[in-house]
Amino acid sequence: EAEVAQSPRYKITEKSQAVAFWCDPISGHATLYWYRQILGQGPELLVQFQDESVVDDSQLPKDRFSAERLKGVDSTLKIQPAELGDSAMYLCASSWTNTGELFFGEGSRLTVL
Amino acid sequence: AQSVTQLGSHVSVSEGALVLLRCNYSSSVPPYLFWYVQYPNQGLQLLLKYTSAATLVKGINGFEAEFKKSETSFHLTKPSAHMSDAAEYFCAVIRGSSGSARQLTFGSGTQLTVLP
Repeated sequence: EAEVAQSPRYKITEKSQAVAFWCDPISGHATLYWYRQILGQGPELLVQFQDESVVDDSQLPKDRFSAERLKGVDSTLKIQPAELGDSAMYLCASSWTNTGELFFGEGSRLTVL
Repeated sequence: AQSVTQLGSHVSVSEGALVLLRCNYSSSVPPYLFWYVQYPNQGLQLLLKYTSAATLVKGINGFEAEFKKSETSFHLTKPSAHMSDAAEYFCAVIRGSSGSARQLTFGSGTQLTVLP
């Protein structure tokens, strides 16, 4: 069964360091999402791609976060510099169309010390 | 803006008992509604979805949800809880007008504990 791949699963870093997360969506899925999930809360959308184009990054803290999907396939989410408040699970998801049926990866758990 | 509210951040039931997880939506137009489940340290998985075809929606693992417009609710139920149902459950709604700008917005989640 096709899955959304994410790496790393766990990342511990010190504040002010740079962090990067990678996501490989299910083959053929044009839409890719990055969500942030703080412990005890629901996921919040950071950025949405349609192929290689950003559809919505209104909730992405652009002073420190960046995301790209250069060839419209895999994607990278970067944080520089990391802050204590960035500790969370970063979830990648993909879908065929924008109908709400998302397929999620297992997530990347970030701890900032 | 469309949103969902999940009533009760924690619910405990005995194995074999009825599971009822509550979700209310706020929407000025008929929404698309979803329930997702998240097991510990994993991503989310779609349980079921409502897209206006039928008010009673059946999902995986014996779960179902009923869309009630008069109550603006989309509660999730399962007749008999199993230990493996212990997880966090999220209600979600499509936000946005149309096309690629439509996004899934999640509620705050309900942690389900199943007691032996």
